[in-house]
Parts: sequence; C-alpha cells; structure tokens
Amino acid sequence: EADIYQTPRYLVIGTGKKITLECSQTMGHDKMYWYQQDPGMELHLIHYSYGVNSTEKGDLSSESTVSRIRTEHFPLTLESARPSHTSQYLCASSEAMASGGAAETQYFGPGTRLLVL
Amino acid sequence: KNQVEQSPQSLIILEGKNCTLQCNYTVSPFSNLRWYKQDTGRGPVSLTIMTFSENTKSNGRYTATLDADTKQSSLHITASQLSDSASYICVVSDRGSTLGRLYFGRGTQLTVWP
Repeated sequence: EADIYQTPRYLVIGTGKKITLECSQTMGHDKMYWYQQDPGMELHLIHYSYGVNSTEKGDLSSESTVSRIRTEHFPLTLESARPSHTSQYLCASSEAMASGGAAETQYFGPGTRLLVL
Repeated sequence: KNQVEQSPQSLIILEGKNCTLQCNYTVSPFSNLRWYKQDTGRGPVSLTIMTFSENTKSNGRYTATLDADTKQSSLHITASQLSDSASYICVVSDRGSTLGRLYFGRGTQLTVWP
C-alpha cells in the first residue's frame, strides 16, 4: 500500500470558486504528478514535478496550477472552477532513479472526484 | 491518437473462471509495459512490469505476457474472485525522455459475478 494521500476525496462546488486539491506522500519521492481522468477514459498528465521548486505542465492543457515548496506536498489549485473542470484528479509519485525515468513505478493516491455545478 | 489500445472494453465473468485481457501498443521506442489495477473510486495499483527482454511476469493469480515484436501484451487472471472486479489499465513507457513518458490505455472494466 502506497503512502500517498489526497484530500478531499469528494468535492462539490459552485462555478467561480477557488479550490485547492491536496496531495501528500511520505515516501520521500522526488517526482510527483497530477493526472486527470474522466469515466472510461485514459489518464492524462496535467502537471509534474522533479523536486522542490520544480513544476512542469503535462500533456493535457489545464487551467490549474501547482506548487512544490516541500518534497512531500504537491497541491493543485483552480482559481475559478467551471463545470468543464468536473473530473477525477489523481496524484502520483515515484522515486527518481539514476538510470532515468523510464523504469520507475508510479504510486497513485486514491483520487479526488470534483463536481463543479 | 491513443498509442495504447485495450480490449475488450468491458468483460463480465463468473467467479472462479479465467479471463485474458489484451493490450496493443504503438509506442516507440519502447521501454517497459505495466499493468495496473484500479478499483472503483481508487487510484491505480501496479500489478506487473515488463521490459523489452521479458516475455512473461506473474504476480499471484495475475500473469502478464509481452510480445515486443508484435507489440502486444496480455493479462491473464486465473480462478477469478469477486475482488478482481476493477478496471485493468495497460501503461507503456517510452525511452524518449528523462521523464519516461507514460502512455495509458483506457482500461478494461472487469466484473466478476458470484
């Protein structure tokens, strides 16, 4: 069982609200990721981080932002939520390997299901 | 275009039966292939990982195979249990970047009935 946590697990909010999805891991992993997943669809990478003060945008364009001030913490923020942001958001982490990123296993949190009305 | 295709999209089997899930990919250059299990409302959990030189890997009742020449993989589940009901996701990693980009399939939704 991976030690990676996400809160809240479920969130229902109105349009225009600012929200922050929390993600924490206790494994000391340098790399962390945010994915967006709609029902029956594949996971899409929206943000990733190689370590403290490192953040990059992923393959899927997202209006969200992330920060990495501490190794264990990788929060995702939406400044003004819209119904199109309704989705499941999954956080993951992996241990940086000397050989590069291809062989790393990503450990996923339980996800946050977001519904924007 | 998704470079990882899984079939079937959904599958219903009776408890105790075996089943095989398929994954075809076009990702190149290939690094490794993983199968993940995702329970409803949970994050994916890694079941197996195979590199180019490996053609089979087992994890309990789960056995994954890989044919790197035809770019196909399968996940065989023996003596299915109710707890096997989940989405099974095939994930292929390339060697094109330090990040080791992951390509996700849409998953096969398996339902095991008593």
